[in-house]
Amino acid sequence: AQSVSQHNHHVILSEAASLELGCNYSYGGTVNLFWYVQYPGQHLQLLLKYFSGDPLVKGIKGFEAEFIKSKFSFNLRKPSVQWSDTAEYFCAVTAYGNNRLAFGKGNQVVVIP
Amino acid sequence: EPEVTQTPSHQVTQMGQEVILRCVPISNHLYFYWYRQILGQKVEFLVSFYNNEISEKSEIFDDQFSVERPDGSNFTLKIRSTKLEDSAMYFCASSLERQGSGAGNTIYFGEGSWLTVV
Repeated sequence: AQSVSQHNHHVILSEAASLELGCNYSYGGTVNLFWYVQYPGQHLQLLLKYFSGDPLVKGIKGFEAEFIKSKFSFNLRKPSVQWSDTAEYFCAVTAYGNNRLAFGKGNQVVVIP
Repeated sequence: EPEVTQTPSHQVTQMGQEVILRCVPISNHLYFYWYRQILGQKVEFLVSFYNNEISEKSEIFDDQFSVERPDGSNFTLKIRSTKLEDSAMYFCASSLERQGSGAGNTIYFGEGSWLTVV
């Protein structure tokens, strides 16, 4: 079964700083990769996803992620964060043909104005 | 944007009681899911449902859990006899296509139902 690791569970940074959240998965086959965000009091929302093609994926709100197959990684980046990016970020993976998402533990990101 | 809605948002129940969590998936979606997140832990898959039957379930989804689509719009999760360790946030989700189909499918989540078992 696939599993997902996210490091640095709590991240605190100032507005305009750059953000990078690491995500590593363990599964040897074809995968579909996702980043979800959960703003305080809200539901999980899809930020971006990778299925195939260009490994650099652009999502909503200025986020992007890069799939590096050799490193089993799908790191999330944003060059300049805003206070409104304060949220919890979850990396998730499904194996091709599998109907379940495996989530990482999440990164709690706090952006200080 | 269409949404998955869940009720109740919070529920406190006594150990041993039955609980039903309700969800209204997005109307044209065909696949439905329940996930849960125990405080401080990962979001975990419980079950997926398609064509009025369970298509996949995890080890967590034992005999005390059941799911149902009673009327073509609601999708419910029943916990027959709750235990303290069932305290968690339960997320309902739906998708138009099967996850992992490679078709760029997106799964939409509800806001969650907080269940506290005392």
